[in-house]
Amino acid sequence: DAKTTQPNSMESNEEEPVHLPCNHSTISGTDYIHWYRQLPSQGPEYVIHGLTSNVNNRMASLAIAEDRKSSTLILHRATLRDAAVYYCILRDPANAGGTSYGKLTFGQGTILTVHP
Amino acid sequence: EPEVTQTPSHQVTQMGQEVILRCVPISNHLYFYWYRQILGQKVEFLVSFYNNEISEKSEIFDDQFSVERPDGSNFTLKIRSTKLEDSAMYFCASSETSPINEQFFGPGTRLTVL
Repeated sequence: DAKTTQPNSMESNEEEPVHLPCNHSTISGTDYIHWYRQLPSQGPEYVIHGLTSNVNNRMASLAIAEDRKSSTLILHRATLRDAAVYYCILRDPANAGGTSYGKLTFGQGTILTVHP
Repeated sequence: EPEVTQTPSHQVTQMGQEVILRCVPISNHLYFYWYRQILGQKVEFLVSFYNNEISEKSEIFDDQFSVERPDGSNFTLKIRSTKLEDSAMYFCASSETSPINEQFFGPGTRLTVL
């Protein structure tokens, strides 16, 4: 599986934007970039995913570099509830039914602290 | 909004005892997963399940572990003879029509082995 690199931790103030980076220099052409987060004492939660174009949903935006070797998860206005561990995960649909039947491979992620 | 549920929320057991962790995935989902997270460590994949059989399992998922979908709604993880190192949070997840779809996770069962 292609590897991702994220900072161990980041801090933000409430109601400010947060940009969470992820490097994935060995990404393959068919890898999707997925983001999940895990709030304290909860299970992981899907945030967003994309392939090449920038994506927006109600939770966040995903900006993908033109060469796809990096991406940034953007929380437009951080709230205290956004304090969580954020995981950047590459998923290849071609592998989903083969050697990697849809499993998610979590790294250490980025611990986001939001200050009031 | 549909959600994955898990019971119990916390299970305490003695070493060597059998435990069954229960999950009710979202009703129209077809792919099911178990993950675990030892305190302070990352989330680890255990097993995926599709069409009533195991699709993939990790090295952690040895002969002490088994999964079952006994009645079309529940999805269970059994540990036959628990060890101290099995103490962890166990998360069930499910996804819809394709394994690449987003996975919906349950709140987890905290297993404590004494």
